[in-house]
Amino acid sequence: NAGVTQTPKFQVLKTGQSMTLQCAQDMNHEYMSWYRQDPGMGLRLIHYSVGAGITDQGEVPNGYNVSRSTTEDFPLRLLSAAPSQTSVYFCASSYSTTMNTGELFFGEGSRLTVL
Amino acid sequence: GENVEQHPSTLSVQEGDSAVIKCTYSDSASNYFPWYKQELGKRPQLIIDIRSNVGEKKDQRIAVTLNKTAKHFSLHITETQPEDSAVYFCAASIGGNNRLAFGKGNQVVVIP
Repeated sequence: NAGVTQTPKFQVLKTGQSMTLQCAQDMNHEYMSWYRQDPGMGLRLIHYSVGAGITDQGEVPNGYNVSRSTTEDFPLRLLSAAPSQTSVYFCASSYSTTMNTGELFFGEGSRLTVL
Repeated sequence: GENVEQHPSTLSVQEGDSAVIKCTYSDSASNYFPWYKQELGKRPQLIIDIRSNVGEKKDQRIAVTLNKTAKHFSLHITETQPEDSAVYFCAASIGGNNRLAFGKGNQVVVIP
């Protein structure tokens, strides 16, 4: 199993450009999520999904969109990149159900720089 | 609110000594408390977790203790080794919808 796969690993954007960070998992996990990691700020939840067709906002959703058309894929879209979105982005999945929160499996991360 | 705080932010220990990191949380409905280790340039990985019906859990040199009344839980690392040097994140489940709120992380440095 590949686990959680994120692409690209590195990306440089100009302010105003849009892009999509891809995330795929092969563990048949229902729960998927996107976090951003900034120095001194820990991991902050952007969006999450508890199953195909269901998405919800996390702590810092502004400027980002997600969709979940399949169990495997959970792409994160930056609509109009801003320098404040320079960060390391982690996709994570879990076997969690509503009644049982479980281990998050993280991807390797995507380092995004917005100029 | 969904607040998880970690103390201290940086901890230096001599190799072989013990390290303790404490986390506090605010959501009384939280029932799952994991600890993640992140080495430089790597992804966070789960090292130990505890659920609210248990007060303590051990796995070799690491242990986690939970005090639900006081809303805090701690990571204990005994006989520290240089490979324990990393950033450690605590987290707490939020309500009943699978989300995890993370603390800001503790940098642990083990001095050989």
